Amino acid sequence: SQQGEEDPQALSIQEGENATMNCSYKTSINNLQWYRQNSGRGLVHLILIRSNEREKHSGRLRVTLDTSKKSSSLLITASRAADTASYFCATAQAGTALIFGKGTTLSVSS
Amino acid sequence: EPEVTQTPSHQVTQMGQEVILRCVPISNHLYFYWYRQILGQKVEFLVSFYNNEISEKSEIFDDQFSVERPDGSNFTLKIRSTKLEDSAMYFCASRTQGAAGETQYFGPGTRLLVL
Repeated sequence: SQQGEEDPQALSIQEGENATMNCSYKTSINNLQWYRQNSGRGLVHLILIRSNEREKHSGRLRVTLDTSKKSSSLLITASRAADTASYFCATAQAGTALIFGKGTTLSVSS
Repeated sequence: EPEVTQTPSHQVTQMGQEVILRCVPISNHLYFYWYRQILGQKVEFLVSFYNNEISEKSEIFDDQFSVERPDGSNFTLKIRSTKLEDSAMYFCASRTQGAAGETQYFGPGTRLLVL
């Protein structure tokens, strides 16, 4: 399977600090996506990085992808209390279903 | 901004009953998906649908499940005879095609509780 597996499982930080979450997967992919889920709510797409890309930025988000290590990281800079949520990586081959990891629960305290 | 909608937001049913979960994908999207998330677990793929037929399904999607696009806007998931283990959050997702179509947009989910 091409599961994404995130670590750490849980992360607690103070507002203003940076949060880094990692994701590993097993097989070749077309792209890797990060989603956020607030408690009991839907999945919000954050960013997509393609297999031929190494780094991507979107606002306070920075995603890296290392296909040789089959890993990705999501960095949230200058975190806010509103960033408190679960973060999932999801991998896909071209046009196929997303395979999600177990997620990292981020808690940002003010 | 267009979004995927799902109804109902919550559904409670008795074991053995049939349920239909409804989704309205984003209007110009062509690919539709159902996923589920059992409480505290990862999001799992159930089925994908394109051009009025199932294009991919997981082991979870057995004969108790079916999907349908009854009209030009709705996309439904039917569970024929619910089991306790079907209790989960069910998410619908849709995407367009081409290079812009890699991102799947998810609805807010239907929380199904089977008693």
